[in-house]
Amino acid sequence: AQKITQTQPGMFVQEKEAVTLDCTYDTSDPSYGLFWYKQPSSGEMIFLIYQGSYDQQNATEGRYSLNFQKARKSANLVISASQLGDSAMYFCAFLDSGGYQKVTFGIGTKLQVIP
Amino acid sequence: NAGVTQTPKFQVLKTGQSMTLQCAQDMNHNSMYWYRQDPGMGLRLIYYSASEGTTDKGEVPNGYNVSRLNKREFSLRLESAAPSQTSVYFCASSERGSGNTIYFGEGSWLTVV
Repeated sequence: AQKITQTQPGMFVQEKEAVTLDCTYDTSDPSYGLFWYKQPSSGEMIFLIYQGSYDQQNATEGRYSLNFQKARKSANLVISASQLGDSAMYFCAFLDSGGYQKVTFGIGTKLQVIP
Repeated sequence: NAGVTQTPKFQVLKTGQSMTLQCAQDMNHNSMYWYRQDPGMGLRLIYYSASEGTTDKGEVPNGYNVSRLNKREFSLRLESAAPSQTSVYFCASSERGSGNTIYFGEGSWLTVV
């Protein structure tokens, strides 16, 4: 069953502006995790940020923050002060924190930063 | 820092041929994964292994087999390649508590003609 949903195939943002990339998930387990990864045109997968279901505060890593709304089952990525180098595919991923550590990805959002 | 190493990086196969994608990690991680990436489909989980000696099907296991040879290595085999298996394949590994990061290999580009 699909557990992770990204509904924005593509997004545009002006350089230096903030942008929010949406991610929703579906689970009945209390313990899980959520990741965001960036994939530039060169193809490598770059870790951005992680949020655990029991974490009290929203995760932040530099210009990246994760807007975690547990009741709504959403884990949106916020990129502040966009840069041209932020143009890439962005993937949200869901971690089943049980013994099997299964990780499934959404279909991604293509972000383009406009000068 | 080698991290996750997968080979080969590029491969062209004829329909019906078999091949094995190799993956090794040097971070002593318990969990390893194989994904395929196709345009518009994101990364889809083929198989994963939570620990040495265990493997489980992911979202798209048909046409593939895996072997967790030891803690370091997790191979993906295509027994009879089909054009639908043309894709980019990523191996990854992770460990509970190690910063909760999934480490990826550089990807293997496979074309089946």
